[in-house]
Amino acid sequence: GAVVSQHPSRVICKSGTSVKIECRSLDFQATTMFWYRQFPKKSLMLMATSNEGSKATYEQGVEKDKFLINHASLTLSTLTVTSAHPEDSSFYICSASVGGGGVGYTFGSGTRLTVV
Amino acid sequence: KNQVEQSPQSLIILEGKNCTLQCNYTVSPFSNLRWYKQDTGRGPVSLTIMTFSENTKSNGRYTATLDADTKQSSLHITASQLSDSASYICVVSPLGQFYFGTGTSLTVIP
Repeated sequence: GAVVSQHPSRVICKSGTSVKIECRSLDFQATTMFWYRQFPKKSLMLMATSNEGSKATYEQGVEKDKFLINHASLTLSTLTVTSAHPEDSSFYICSASVGGGGVGYTFGSGTRLTVV
Repeated sequence: KNQVEQSPQSLIILEGKNCTLQCNYTVSPFSNLRWYKQDTGRGPVSLTIMTFSENTKSNGRYTATLDADTKQSSLHITASQLSDSASYICVVSPLGQFYFGTGTSLTVIP
């Protein structure tokens, strides 16, 4: 089945630094990848949708200059949290699909970001 | 407005018992409905996916039902195990979009 690998699973960084999170589709080509943020005991909040080779589409209220998304290939998307602040601490999850919403819609295992 | 509502918000059951989680939605048009299990600190894992024409789908001890007329779905867990403790999320999808329910937190106690 479709497997999405997300790395790292946990990261701690200092305020003001940048952190990159990778999302890879291991056994399929992901035309579309999604990035979510999840607060404790809350549902996933879609941050942005990225299509391979084009700019990401950000949800309202998500700062595109702070959360940089790159989807340079059909198997890799990255989320970079720039100039991280403690309020950016959260659980970030990616997912990937083939053809924008088909059966092959799979989540990564998530990244716990802690900014100190 | 496209919405997905799940109930109950949380549930505690004894190991070995059955339970049913509910998902009501107003999303239109409808393409498919998925149930996911999310363990704490992990990404969601797919349990079932149903299209408009399917009204039941099983995956081991998990059985999902769908009534597209009333826009309701349920997830039935049989003979619960301690490892079933998790959040269960209902996701309804028109083509290319995803609407998430707020989830049901299930705790199975010995």
